[in-house]
Amino acid sequence: DVVMTQSPLSLPVTLGQPASISCRSGQSLVHSDGNTYLNWFQQRPGQSPRRLIYKVSNRDSGVPDRFSGSGSGTDFTLKISKVEAEDVGVYYCMQGTYWPLITFGQGTRLEIK
Amino acid sequence: EVQLVESGGSLVQPGGSLRLSCAASGFTFSSYSMNWVRQAPGKGLEWVSYISSSGTTIYYADSVKGRFTISRDNAKNSLHLQMNSLRAEDTAVFYCARDTGSTSVDYWGQGTLVTVSS
Repeated sequence: DVVMTQSPLSLPVTLGQPASISCRSGQSLVHSDGNTYLNWFQQRPGQSPRRLIYKVSNRDSGVPDRFSGSGSGTDFTLKISKVEAEDVGVYYCMQGTYWPLITFGQGTRLEIK
Repeated sequence: EVQLVESGGSLVQPGGSLRLSCAASGFTFSSYSMNWVRQAPGKGLEWVSYISSSGTTIYYADSVKGRFTISRDNAKNSLHLQMNSLRAEDTAVFYCARDTGSTSVDYWGQGTLVTVSS
């Protein structure tokens, strides 16, 4: 299975400040079709996961533009330009390149300082 | 609006069985592959099983292979997970999640809690 490693695991951020989460994969996530199937999910306290980003940098409908994804190969980043209170929760990266053996990162807990 | 509603979770003894269901609405269920993903208490997300839109292609995580069976009823817009020989380590919230072209999942249900304990 492809191991997904996130850092940091805990991220205290001041309201209005930027935040950045790293996700590294054990193998390249470039699919044979040329696409890179790296996704980001947000899980707010007590809620189910919600997809924010697919194929590295594509925001889902309704996702605020303060969220952005970038990266390539084995190295990916989720950035929040200005953290708001509603952004508190756990963020997961997930690879879909090696379907059906999809794997998730361990999660990064974002909290407000 | 896409809705996925899981049910069937409960407390069960080790070695017991349980059948989870997921009722889908707001989209053409028969056109989408589906997945089960679980989350142990306080832990991360683990993919469990996949079923294609027609039900002909099925995959399982090694941790549940031989014990869990995924199925679907397109006429009733429902997804199921039959879980046998349950172990304490199967304790988790189980989510059904809609597949998007076998590269991602987009919509998730609210989850149903399975607790395996004597």
